[in-house]
Amino acid sequence: DVKVTQSSRYLVKRTGEKVFLECVQDMDHENMFWYRQDPGLGLRLIYFSYDVKMKEKGDIPEGYSVSREKKERFSLILESASTNQTSMYLCASRLGQPYNSPLHFGNGTRLTVT
Amino acid sequence: AQSVTQLDSQVPVFEEAPVELRCNYSSSVSVYLFWYVQYPNQGLQLLLKYLSGSTLVKGINGFEAEFNKSQTSFHLRKPSVHISDTAEYFCAVSEVDSSYKLIFGSGTRLLVRP
Repeated sequence: DVKVTQSSRYLVKRTGEKVFLECVQDMDHENMFWYRQDPGLGLRLIYFSYDVKMKEKGDIPEGYSVSREKKERFSLILESASTNQTSMYLCASRLGQPYNSPLHFGNGTRLTVT
Repeated sequence: AQSVTQLDSQVPVFEEAPVELRCNYSSSVSVYLFWYVQYPNQGLQLLLKYLSGSTLVKGINGFEAEFNKSQTSFHLRKPSVHISDTAEYFCAVSEVDSSYKLIFGSGTRLLVRP
C-alpha cells in the first residue's frame, strides 16, 4: 500500500515566519503535488513536481515555493507566512505514467498562522 | 478551460436510503473523471474513475457513477447508504492530453443520519 506521510498534523506559526511542510512517499512515484484545501473551494493546486528537481507552478503559487531534492520527498515552503495562508495542506503522489494514475494523499497538515 | 461544479455543498440522508451526488464538468476536449472521498481527519482516497469504455463505473464501498457526455455529468450514486459513508466527496476532472492537471470540485458533504 502506498504511504504518503506529512510530517505535521497541526502547525501553528506566527506571521512572517518561514514555514516548511514536509511530505514523504514510499512508492517511488515520479509525480508529487501540494494542494491547499479550503471550505467551499475544494482543492487548489499550489505546485507540482514531475521528477527530482523539476517543478511547475499550479493555480495558486504566490507566496509559496517548493523543493524536491530526492524522489521521495517534496517540501512546501512559505517564505513569510501570512494569515491568509491559514489552511489545510494536502500532499499527494502518483506514478508518472499513465497520465490517469490515481493520486495518493497524505492525511494533511492544518496550518494556522496567527 | 476545464472546470468542475458540485452544486450541492451538503446532502443529508437517512441510513439505508439511496443517494446521488451531482457533478458537472466543462471541457473542450476528452476527459478522465474521478470521484475521491475524504473521511474525517484523513486525506482523500480514490472512490472510482472513468477513463473510457462503459459509461457506468463501479467503485469501492458500493458506489457507482455514470458518465453522460451529452450532459457533461458524472453523478455518483449509492442505492443504500450507511452511517460510515458520512464523508466529503470530491469530483475531479483531467484532460486526456494533460500530464498532471487535475481540477477538483468544491466538494459535497454527505451526512448520513440514523
